[in-house]
Amino acid sequence: RKEVEQDPGPFNVPEGATVAFNCTYSNSASQSFFWYRQDCRKEPKLLMSVYSSGNEDGRFTAQLNRASQYISLLIRDSKLSDSATYLCVVNHGSYIPTFGRGTSLIVHP
Amino acid sequence: DAGVTQSPTHLIKTRGQQVTLRCSPKSGHDTVSWYQQALGQGPQFIFQYYEEEERQRGNFPDRFSGHQFPNYSSELNVNALLLGDSALYLCASSSGQGLEQYFGPGTRLTVT
Repeated sequence: RKEVEQDPGPFNVPEGATVAFNCTYSNSASQSFFWYRQDCRKEPKLLMSVYSSGNEDGRFTAQLNRASQYISLLIRDSKLSDSATYLCVVNHGSYIPTFGRGTSLIVHP
Repeated sequence: DAGVTQSPTHLIKTRGQQVTLRCSPKSGHDTVSWYQQALGQGPQFIFQYYEEEERQRGNFPDRFSGHQFPNYSSELNVNALLLGDSALYLCASSSGQGLEQYFGPGTRLTVT
């Protein structure tokens, strides 16, 4: 089993839709979690950290489920500009962050 | 406020050659990490430098080496290039033990 797994997609949704991605991790000792966004042929950009209590930033909500070992990202009212690859990152106490392969989102008119 | 910068943006090398990639961290950051990203995959951690020393290393062979300078900038060196080393090489900076990283635009390396 891979350390961090994501459904590569693509998730194809219309503008205005709500879409959610999950990311599972195998190491129960994992301590910190992040979501990054990566546009085609660009660098990853930090989208948000994922806290135990969950956190929200505008249309984006991130949650952590330690019992089932996954994190989620919910995007409400999808915009065309949300089209990108969403990468989850898991750290398990070392300085070695493990990236998932990313989930591709395509928002169409 | 300058972000993370990397040079060169693109590079074409031949098998067996050596390459050096450069990175300047975001202002105020003292930690630099290097990643290799193959097409369709997430970034794979190569190593991290802090206080001019390699703090952590991922699962990469000794052909991959690095250095951090007193001004926190960093270099990634790859010897004896293989075709499989073709990838986007990303540099990310952070502050101390901060885990929130900021990435540079990357260097796209092609090995022929």
